[in-house]
Amino acid sequence: DGGITQSPKYLFRKEGQNVTLSCEQNLNHDAMYWYRQDPGQGLRLIYYSQIVNDFQKGDIAEGYSVSREKKESFPLTVTSAQKNPTAFYLCASSIRPRARQGGSETQYFGPGTRLLVL
Amino acid sequence: SQQGEEDPQALSIQEGENATMNCSYKTSINNLQWYRQNSGRGLVHLILIRSNEREKHSGRLRVTLDTSKKSSSLLITASRAADTASYFCATLILSGGYQKVTFGIGTKLQVIP
Repeated sequence: DGGITQSPKYLFRKEGQNVTLSCEQNLNHDAMYWYRQDPGQGLRLIYYSQIVNDFQKGDIAEGYSVSREKKESFPLTVTSAQKNPTAFYLCASSIRPRARQGGSETQYFGPGTRLLVL
Repeated sequence: SQQGEEDPQALSIQEGENATMNCSYKTSINNLQWYRQNSGRGLVHLILIRSNEREKHSGRLRVTLDTSKKSSSLLITASRAADTASYFCATLILSGGYQKVTFGIGTKLQVIP
């Protein structure tokens, strides 16, 4: 899992509650990503950030919010607007892509947080 | 359907046999990567192949890329029980300075000792 950590490992959410998943990396990576994985499925991109104080919506951003105040940290908040939050959430980081170099962009993943609804 | 679709979705082989997984995609890409995921864990990067490359090797792994067919294959030779995991392909598109990585739904490989 390299130098990227996620906490907690398991998280329980009550109806109508916002919860925040932590993601921290010490790899000095500019880019960070949040993915959602449902059972037997691939990863779907929620949000990504290429640099501090900047982030972009992914394919399934509705019901989620993020912040990128520090290079090392990219917390994800699952809001009450997300009606089906039960999933495995994966955070990743990479070097910032350089378009002219064609990109190397290997993503380093954290161990994941499993979110369950009570 | 998704950019990056692997087949088969599940594969069961005996230890020592070779395992081949395929990935198809729809749009032009900058590179394609293969990742491995053990159950309940994060993904681990295995190998990257650029759009101008046709084949790459890394240990027991061999990856091919056919951009005309928009497909890639991952071959694991002489499989071991420890290779049991899910394998995902991921395509990278660079657009406007941002990278977009799209993962497939994965192939679940079981290697029987």
